[in-house]
Amino acid sequence: DAGVIQSPRHEVTEMGQEVTLRCKPISGHDYLFWYRQTMMRGLELLIYFNNNVPIDDSGMPEDRFSAKMPNASFSTLKIQPSEPRDSAVYFCASGGALNTEAFFGQGTRLTVV
Amino acid sequence: GENVEQHPSTLSVQEGDSAVIKCTYSDSASNYFPWYKQELGKRPQLIIDIRSNVGEKKDQRIAVTLNKTAKHFSLHITETQPEDSAVYFCAASRGSWGKLQFGAGTQVVVTP
Repeated sequence: DAGVIQSPRHEVTEMGQEVTLRCKPISGHDYLFWYRQTMMRGLELLIYFNNNVPIDDSGMPEDRFSAKMPNASFSTLKIQPSEPRDSAVYFCASGGALNTEAFFGQGTRLTVV
Repeated sequence: GENVEQHPSTLSVQEGDSAVIKCTYSDSASNYFPWYKQELGKRPQLIIDIRSNVGEKKDQRIAVTLNKTAKHFSLHITETQPEDSAVYFCAASRGSWGKLQFGAGTQVVVTP
C-alpha cells in the first residue's frame, strides 16, 4: 500500500477563495482523521470519521470548514471562504482499529494570501 | 476534555548521551499513549506507544514509562545519534479513541 495520500502537497490561494484538500486513506482502515498543524497551536484534531461517518467535528474551527467522506477511499476538507489565518499544514491520517497507530499522509501546506 | 502538557520544548544533547521528554495528562480515563517523531518538513510517524495496563515498554534505544497514578509518561532515548534530531510529540486518548490529544512537541537536537 502506498500509505495515506494527500493532494495537493502545496496550495497557495487568495483570501476569499474556496480551497479543497483531498485524502485517500490506507485501504481497509476504518478511521480517518483531519489534523491542522501550526507553530502557535501545534497539532489539532479537526474532525474524524469512522466507517465514512463523521463522529466528532468539535475541532472544526468555524462554519467555513467542512469535511466529507463519500466513500471508504476518499475524503475532502473544504474551506470556504479561506482567510490568511487558515494558513497551516493540514494532515490526513487513517487507522485500522481502536488505540492503534495513526498513519499520517504527507500533508498539504496551505498558504492564504 | 483531555489536556496534554509536554516538557521541555527544546532539548540539546551530545551524541551518545540520553534524552528524556516528559508529558502529563489530565483525563484519568486516558488509556493509550503514543509518541510520534516528526522530522523537518515531514509527516509525524509513530515510534512507540504504551497502553495503560503496562508500566514500561522498550524498543531498542527507545523506552516509554507510564505512571497512571501521577498521570505522567516519559520517553527515553539512549545513545542518541544525529538522526534522532527531530520534533517529538506525546499524545493521549481514551477508549473511544479518535480524540488523540497531542502535546506541544519537543525539538531535540543531537550535536556530534
